[in-house]
Amino acid sequence: QVQLVESGGGVVQSGRSLRLSCAGSGFTFSRYTLHWVRQAPGKGLEWVARVSFDGSKKYYADSVRGRFSISRDTSKNTVYLQMNSLGPEDTAKYYCTRDQSPGYSRGWFPYWGLGTLVIVSS
Amino acid sequence: ETMMTQSPATLSVSPGERATLFCRASQSVSTNFAWYVQKPGQAPRLLIYSASTRATGIPTRFSGSGSGTEFTLTISSLQSEDFAVYFCQQYDNWPPTFGQGTKVDI
Repeated sequence: QVQLVESGGGVVQSGRSLRLSCAGSGFTFSRYTLHWVRQAPGKGLEWVARVSFDGSKKYYADSVRGRFSISRDTSKNTVYLQMNSLGPEDTAKYYCTRDQSPGYSRGWFPYWGLGTLVIVSS
Repeated sequence: ETMMTQSPATLSVSPGERATLFCRASQSVSTNFAWYVQKPGQAPRLLIYSASTRATGIPTRFSGSGSGTEFTLTISSLQSEDFAVYFCQQYDNWPPTFGQGTKVDI
């Protein structure tokens, strides 16, 4: 079955960097668009970034553009989120999600990891 | 970006009762719309996509309707496991956006 396992979260000081990883299994990793979605404590969901199945297209929320970078390594079945210049507003649980169908993104998120918590201290 | 507004913020119901949740989009999203449920400490789970299509494994007591800017999620007879937070999402306009959630409790 489809599994997504995030790692790399932790406590980091404001202004520092962190890299999150998401390992996928149970599906042909190279065929699917992958996303990061975050949730601040007690709050709603915010889409953060997306990388196309072949890594050629990357998209970001305005709130993270220029600070975060998404990438993927097909040889490791892993997607990454490099987060720079972190601020307290980035404190959240970060979820990795997979699209419904191979190829282009359909837009909804049927598969989620358990998430990894990032706490940015000021 | 398209703002998604859910109502009510909290819905208090009893097991076996019917629950109706609402979501309004700030601009039309056609039927490019989804519902999710999230229990404490868990990841969100997809319930409905394309406004009215149940995701794999979702019980028939969950139904979605609507198009354009007004959407409804109905739970026909609440079970104990349905007490949770429900989120709506649009994926018609860029970027995809979520509502702030409706908590269904006893």
